[in-house]
Amino acid sequence: DTEVTQTPKHLVMGMTNKKSLKCEQHMGHRAMYWYKQKAKKPPELMFVYSYEKLSINESVPSRFSPECPNSSLLNLHLHALQPEDSALYLCASSQDGVSPSINEQFFGPGTRLTVL
Amino acid sequence: AQKVTQAQTEISVVEKEDVTLDCVYETRDTTYYLFWYKQPPSGELVFLIRRNSFDEQNEISGRYSWNFQKSTSSFNFTITASQVVDSAVYFCALILNSGYSTLTFGKGTMLLVSP
Repeated sequence: DTEVTQTPKHLVMGMTNKKSLKCEQHMGHRAMYWYKQKAKKPPELMFVYSYEKLSINESVPSRFSPECPNSSLLNLHLHALQPEDSALYLCASSQDGVSPSINEQFFGPGTRLTVL
Repeated sequence: AQKVTQAQTEISVVEKEDVTLDCVYETRDTTYYLFWYKQPPSGELVFLIRRNSFDEQNEISGRYSWNFQKSTSSFNFTITASQVVDSAVYFCALILNSGYSTLTFGKGTMLLVSP
């Protein structure tokens, strides 16, 4: 199984809502990532988990809260988002948990988030 | 700090044409890794290739080929006999093998292949 899955595919939420994005991989990878991608831009790194511990937080606002319940799962909890947070949120994983990981990252299909 | 430049914002070709996507990078480190990713309209980034800074051998994989030249800090990607399914945004990326380093992406090149 060489797949990273993400749910939901699409999400529309109001600024007062609380929602979560979910990412799962069963490749035995030890590093997992959250990226944010705006239209016509490259992905921007948000968080990195290495061996289930948060290793990198790219100064992301606290309204985004990551969680890594186990080595296969990665969540992103969303609360009080702003319309400018609307974007494609991509999850990725890579084989080793060393930071930085020089191994290729495998990406999920993303969650298209719209904040009204 | 490292930087990746993809000067071509958008390229349009007709099916069966060859096309080269340019990637120029900047880093003072001697050990680094270069990547190409493809992002079709569906949104998922698909890994294409990883190359380390000590391996300047060109690589061919089917219709895809990569030309890595340290002398010009370039890692160009050529698609031979392009097909409509090649239409996507292609990202070149760089990561250092030292210190605090994360994957640095170029701005991407959108390739449109028309029938």
